[in-house]
Parts: sequence; C-alpha cells; structure tokens
Amino acid sequence: GAGVSQSPSNKVTEKGKDVELRCDPISGHTALYWYRQSLGQGLEFLIYFQGNSAPDKSGLPSDRFSAERTGGSVSTLTIQRTQQEDSAVYLCASSLSAGQNVSPLHFGNGTRLTVT
Amino acid sequence: AQSVTQLDSQVPVFEEAPVELRCNYSSSVSVYLFWYVQYPNQGLQLLLKYLSGSTLVKGINGFEAEFNKSQTSFHLRKPSVHISDTAEYFCAVAVQRNDYKLSFGAGTTVTVRA
Repeated sequence: GAGVSQSPSNKVTEKGKDVELRCDPISGHTALYWYRQSLGQGLEFLIYFQGNSAPDKSGLPSDRFSAERTGGSVSTLTIQRTQQEDSAVYLCASSLSAGQNVSPLHFGNGTRLTVT
Repeated sequence: AQSVTQLDSQVPVFEEAPVELRCNYSSSVSVYLFWYVQYPNQGLQLLLKYLSGSTLVKGINGFEAEFNKSQTSFHLRKPSVHISDTAEYFCAVAVQRNDYKLSFGAGTTVTVRA
C-alpha cells in the first residue's frame, strides 16, 4: 500500500522567505510526527499530532516554526522567515496509534530544505 | 530527559564479515529501545525493538541486538553482512511512560565492500 508521502522532495529558498512542507500519512494512521535531520546529527523531534488531542509542540525550535494537521490526515509544516540554520532534511512519520510499544513509525523520504 | 549516543559515525566492513554497531543511552526511568535503518533513497524503517522480556532481540535481515541494562547499551550485530546492508542505522529510545516520543542517535553509516 501507499506509504508516507512528503512534498516537495527538495526545496531551495532564499533566506527570509516562508516555506511550506507537506506530509500525507498512511491512511488510517492517527499519529503523525515531524522530525528534522541536520547534517551529522540525529533526528530531532519537532511536533506530534494524535487524533483530536492538542499537539505536542515541545520540539519546535522557534516561533517561526508551526504545523497543522487538517481533518486528522494531511499535515503542513510552515517555516517563516527562513534562516540558513533551517537547512536540513525534514522527515514526517505516521503510526497506527500512539505508543512505540504498539506500532512503529513509518517514515516518508523527507524534504531536503536548503536556505541560501 | 533521555539521550542516545552512537559511538561510531562510520563503519566500513567487508562482505561476509561480522559487524557491531554500538549504542548507549541515558535515562533515569525505564525505556523502550529501537534500531531503525535507512537504505539509500528510502525512508527509515524499523529494524528491531526491545520492549521487555528476553534481552536478546532479533530483527529483520538477520540483525539482532542485546539490551544490557547495567551498561545502558543496546548494541546491534550481524554475523555476516551483505552488500545490501549498506545503509545508515539509527538507535532510538522512548521513555516507557511517555512512549510516543522517540529520541534518536546521530546515526552510523555502514558501508559494505566486496
């Protein structure tokens, strides 16, 4: 079946511009995550959505970052006034339910963001 | 807060040789442990996980890992690698009482040569 789909796969933007990154999770998956992978570093947790519950935004690095999940499905990560340090691969993952003991994460291929 | 350290960033290995990828974690509470693999041009996928019970867990593609609580380690091993095992491997930990959030290590790139 279809996996987690992310678009665009690559995005080059100028410093100061806003960008939107999209994630289509696997159908029926209630949990959705955004992670960031910077060069030479591990995956950094950004935000987590579970059903209709309030999202866990504790990993968002600044107020320039925001995310929403419409209708419990598609999610958009928005970065305003991009900076060069925002350059990274942004990964989206979904799982059937919350809790790593129950269902693993299914990752998309990521969006590679380059801020020039 | 929990954290994960992968002790090797790059591991070159010859085909059919064994490989061990080292992972140490720190946490003041009980955890679940995972290894994820990212093959070239693919998304991360779960290799294996430790939740409870036997400390030796087996995963896909002949990999296994051993949970050592006293040494806070979760090293990944394979007795004989193939070219197709060339990938990046990530160790991850989740606190049991709040287990939706995974903390990942920096990754280990394994390159298998003929």
